[in-house]
Amino acid sequence: DGGITQSPKYLFRKEGQNVTLSCEQNLNHDAMYWYRQDPGQGLRLIYYSQIVNDFQKGDIAEGYSVSREKKESFPLTVTSAQKNPTAFYLCASSIQSGLAGANEQFFGPGTRLTVL
Amino acid sequence: AQRVTQPEKLLSVFKGAPVELKCNYSYSGSPELFWYVQYSRQRLQLLLRHISRESIKGFTADLNKGETSFHLKKPFAQEEDSAMYYCALSGVSGSRLTFGEGTQLTVNP
Repeated sequence: DGGITQSPKYLFRKEGQNVTLSCEQNLNHDAMYWYRQDPGQGLRLIYYSQIVNDFQKGDIAEGYSVSREKKESFPLTVTSAQKNPTAFYLCASSIQSGLAGANEQFFGPGTRLTVL
Repeated sequence: AQRVTQPEKLLSVFKGAPVELKCNYSYSGSPELFWYVQYSRQRLQLLLRHISRESIKGFTADLNKGETSFHLKKPFAQEEDSAMYYCALSGVSGSRLTFGEGTQLTVNP
């Protein structure tokens, strides 16, 4: 597997602490996404970015922040304001909007965050 | 607003039996529909998309705009089909995907 990497695989955090999840891709994709996966709720979009230095809120952005300083990287920070952060987090990427196949998203292996 | 509903959280069938995973959507324009699959200990990956009209691993899905459905079907289920399946919708090329809640399919021997 290459393409999209997420680190770490498991992450533990104490309440009140911020934590940053890493997502890197070498697919030369313009668009990147962060999802949260909870049992019975599917995947919910947290933030997405279609181009460097620009990003938009998804459905559940409260308590999260992102940056997109490089095309390859889209880190997600889970802040202390996120009331229920324990979850499995998935990063994805896709080719530039408007081109054929633009909507196929390629996913990373995920990071499981547990708040103690 | 766009919404995807998968009414069955769990689905269990026997090997060789037909299987149908239901997906209904709501969207006011022309949607693009997908099925993603997540096998145990593997990444979420695209299974098929409606515009391709392909059969992947024996699975097919037809977009029914009248019933706003995109059900996934396979005539003879195999044990290796056991996985979590997600239906997803995109309204505009390159825009965000909206996922359903997922259906965990178990194919028993």
